[in-house]
Amino acid sequence: QQQVKQSPQSLIVQKGGISIINCAYENTAFDYFPWYQQFPGKGPALLIAIRPDVSEKKEGRFTISFNKSAKQFSLHIMDSQPGDSATYFCAASRDAGGTSYGKLTFGQGTILTVHP
Amino acid sequence: DTGVSQDPRHKITKRGQNVTFRCDPISEHNRLYWYRQTLGQGPEFLTYFQNEAQLEKSRLLSDRFSAERPKGSFSTLEIQRTEQGDSAMYLCASSLFPGTGHNEQFFGPGTRLTVL
Repeated sequence: QQQVKQSPQSLIVQKGGISIINCAYENTAFDYFPWYQQFPGKGPALLIAIRPDVSEKKEGRFTISFNKSAKQFSLHIMDSQPGDSATYFCAASRDAGGTSYGKLTFGQGTILTVHP
Repeated sequence: DTGVSQDPRHKITKRGQNVTFRCDPISEHNRLYWYRQTLGQGPEFLTYFQNEAQLEKSRLLSDRFSAERPKGSFSTLEIQRTEQGDSAMYLCASSLFPGTGHNEQFFGPGTRLTVL
C-alpha cells in the first residue's frame, strides 16, 4: 500500500528557477514530514522537515508548505542551482512519541535536473 | 567522520549464498533502522532497533532475513540463500530517541548488493 505519493517523477528547471515537488499522504496518524536529498551512490540526507502544527517552514532556499486538510505537502527550492540536481524524497512518520512510531514511509522520489 | 557507516559498500554474490552487512550508527544514537532501496524507488522500511531490542519488522523481511544489534551499538543484517530479487541498496539509519522529539533519521551511504 502506497501511503505517500510523490509527483512529478522528474523535473527539469533552469538555473535560478523555482523547483516544486508535491507529496500526498493517506495516513492521518502521520505527524512528521521530512524531505531527503539523495545524490547517486550516496545515502539520503535530511534536508528539511515539518510538523502539522505549522503551515510553512523555510530554511535558506528550501521551503516546505503543508496543507493538513488536503493531506498534502510540498518542497519549494528557490533560486535552483545545478548543484541541487539530485533525487528528492518526501517521507512521513509518526513522530518520536512511542516505540512503534519510528519508521519512515517514503514517496517514490523526484529526479531534479537544474540546467545551467 | 562521526556519521553512519556501512560495510561493505558493494557486495556481489551468487544466488543461494549468504551475505552479511554491518552498520555502525552515530555513536550516541540509540535507534537503528534498516531500509531497502531498489532502483528508482524510495527506501522501504525493513526493521528497527532501540538499543538491543528489535521493535518492529516489516512484512518485507522474509524468514531469510535476520538483523541483530547485540550490544546496542553496531548492527548486522544477514540474508540467507540470496535470490536475484534481493539485489538492492541496503540503507542503515540512526536516530536519538527521544532526542529533540522529532524523528530525525540520519542515513549511511548504503551497501549495494548484486545477486547474480
